[in-house]
Amino acid sequence: QLQLQESGSGLVKPSQTLSLTCAVSGGSISSGGYSWSWIRQPPGKGLEWIGNIYHSGSAYYNPSLQSRVTISVDRSKNQFSLKLSSVTAADTAVYYCARTVVSYYYAMDVWGQGTTVTVSS
Amino acid sequence: DIQMTQSPSSLSASVGDRVTITCRASQSISSYLSWYQQKPGKAPKLLIYAASSLQSGVPSRFSGSESGTDFTLTISSLQPEDFATYYCQQSYSTPGTFGQGTKLEIK
Repeated sequence: QLQLQESGSGLVKPSQTLSLTCAVSGGSISSGGYSWSWIRQPPGKGLEWIGNIYHSGSAYYNPSLQSRVTISVDRSKNQFSLKLSSVTAADTAVYYCARTVVSYYYAMDVWGQGTTVTVSS
Repeated sequence: DIQMTQSPSSLSASVGDRVTITCRASQSISSYLSWYQQKPGKAPKLLIYAASSLQSGVPSRFSGSESGTDFTLTISSLQPEDFATYYCQQSYSTPGTFGQGTKLEIK
């Protein structure tokens, strides 16, 4: 059974870089037919798609974040990562990683439990 | 970006009620529409993909339909565990935008 687990810095200072990792267990990140996504949810608000990456390394980003975001994949460790630079208080959110299924019209069928990131000095 | 307008934003209903939530896309998205259920403090859970396909393990009281750019999630007979917030998401084009959410509360 596939499981995803986010980890990383829970408290980030303004203007610094947020770094998170999503460890994939119970399956291979190199399996075809999937991409690996990041989504966030500010406190009390809705969901925002950040971006996704395929095992080939091809990544796609939300244009609203594109200048600050990098998603990468480490096939040897079966994990993928998110970096968001120049953070502000507006980046405070619960960050989720998820598996996107191409054949499901790109729906996200497995999610991590989420990790809270607070941007504060 | 494609805008997803979800309605209502909140809804009060009773156990056993039939409930409908709607999402309207700002342009054609074919069937690239998913529905998610989120309970407080938990990650979203996939209910419906490709507008009307039921995710494995999801009760059959949940169903999805589409008509042009309008998409509907129907719960045929509300159960206590269905009280949650529901989101639609289009995956036709990047970014994969979500609706604003519908909070389903007990009447």
